Amino acid sequence: QSILTQPPSASGTPGQRVTISCSGTDSNIGVNSVSWYQQLPGTAPKLLFSRDHQRPSGVPDRFSDSKSGTSASLAISGLRSEDEADYFCAAWDDSLNGPVFGGGTKLTVL
Amino acid sequence: QLHLLESGGDLVKPGGSLRLSCAASGFTFGHFHMAWVRQAPGKGLEWVSYISSDTGTRYSADSVRGRFTISRDNTKNSLYLQMNSLRADDTAVYYCARQIGTTAFFDLWGRGTLVTVSS
Repeated sequence: QSILTQPPSASGTPGQRVTISCSGTDSNIGVNSVSWYQQLPGTAPKLLFSRDHQRPSGVPDRFSDSKSGTSASLAISGLRSEDEADYFCAAWDDSLNGPVFGGGTKLTVL
Repeated sequence: QLHLLESGGDLVKPGGSLRLSCAASGFTFGHFHMAWVRQAPGKGLEWVSYISSDTGTRYSADSVRGRFTISRDNTKNSLYLQMNSLRADDTAVYYCARQIGTTAFFDLWGRGTLVTVSS
């Protein structure tokens, strides 16, 4: 069972806006930055935002993230078929002295 | 071009050992902290181990502590993971990743190497 909690699945139609939530605790999301990863089928994860919330080259501005308290969210607007992937959140956990991941959310574009 | 390339994955029996390697290129390897992250088949990501740029600090997940050892050779631009006392639940794709300090930001990943523990 993952330390951070994500919904196992999400879906939307092309053009829609979808959000993926990530819930943690005071020892991880509550006190540390959250990172988000996109994993396309058969490939390695890809970081969606840098630590200062900049999008690396190739990540469209349709992707955005936010955090409030011990929860974080990833939003994807103008959904496209190529956004269909698994999405993972992560944060450093001060109690465990290491990064913890969410279980991942499989995004389906209908 | 930034690149990480893992090798060493194999089929090994329970209780066996394996050493993974990761070759880095395109950046100054010795300036960056590194990590191993694994993903069991059809499952999520699990951080395994971290090593600081100067090898002075190492952390490991509870699930592997005492069995796995992370190391690096900055003169060879290489990262390693020595895995001993392997168990079936260690079966996973093991990714080498560049870690930004003691954070959960991994900004560069290799393509992974598969470790299968089975009799």
